[in-house]
Amino acid sequence: DTAVSQTPKYLVTQMGNDKSIKCEQNLGHDTMYWYKQDSKKFLKIMFSYNNKELIINETVPNRFSPKSPDKAHLNLHINSLELGDSAVYFCASSAVLRQVAAGMRETQYFGPGTRLLVL
Amino acid sequence: RKEVEQDPGPFNVPEGATVAFNCTYSNSASQSFFWYRQDCRKEPKLLMSVYSSGNEDGRFTAQLNRASQYISLLIRDSKLSDSATYLCVVTYNAGNMLTFGGGTRLMVKP
Repeated sequence: DTAVSQTPKYLVTQMGNDKSIKCEQNLGHDTMYWYKQDSKKFLKIMFSYNNKELIINETVPNRFSPKSPDKAHLNLHINSLELGDSAVYFCASSAVLRQVAAGMRETQYFGPGTRLLVL
Repeated sequence: RKEVEQDPGPFNVPEGATVAFNCTYSNSASQSFFWYRQDCRKEPKLLMSVYSSGNEDGRFTAQLNRASQYISLLIRDSKLSDSATYLCVVTYNAGNMLTFGGGTRLMVKP
């Protein structure tokens, strides 16, 4: 009954390879996210999807392509992996886009992370 | 200049101590504020939201100063289990995009 799950947990691969990371949430949330946490531990948003539609794409190289087959899944495909892609990738989800006027604050729930090492 | 700045620490404190962390943010249009906690090799988890009037949750007190653009977290009666990295988080838009500080590491010793 994990709320947000990611596979694989660890990924070691060679430069130039193409790899995918999968994320699934069973919380019934509408919005999903990908974050990257680098070696300095900074967590940075990469993408956000709401109901399968891309709503945030933060200056991420186009080697990274998110795909959302349905609102419970958001996968991340990375082409031509580079050394600098080594990091921990976290998937997250939240219930709705935060409605400023309503003053709602929707918690984001994070998956356990995928530790990617590019050699 | 980073959008959200925190002292990385580590803060080494004995059990039972009171410890406070500050965080500053650069965008005055920031809308929502949070403290997340991240244990070693684990995912971040929401500790508490930060409201304009300040709020408390057990041993944890959060304060927001919009004029000075800083947020604080006070932990009273520290426990060993409080040892973690505390992440200051800010959102700027209705897209719920979280912007994280680099985190402050806390180590509580017996």
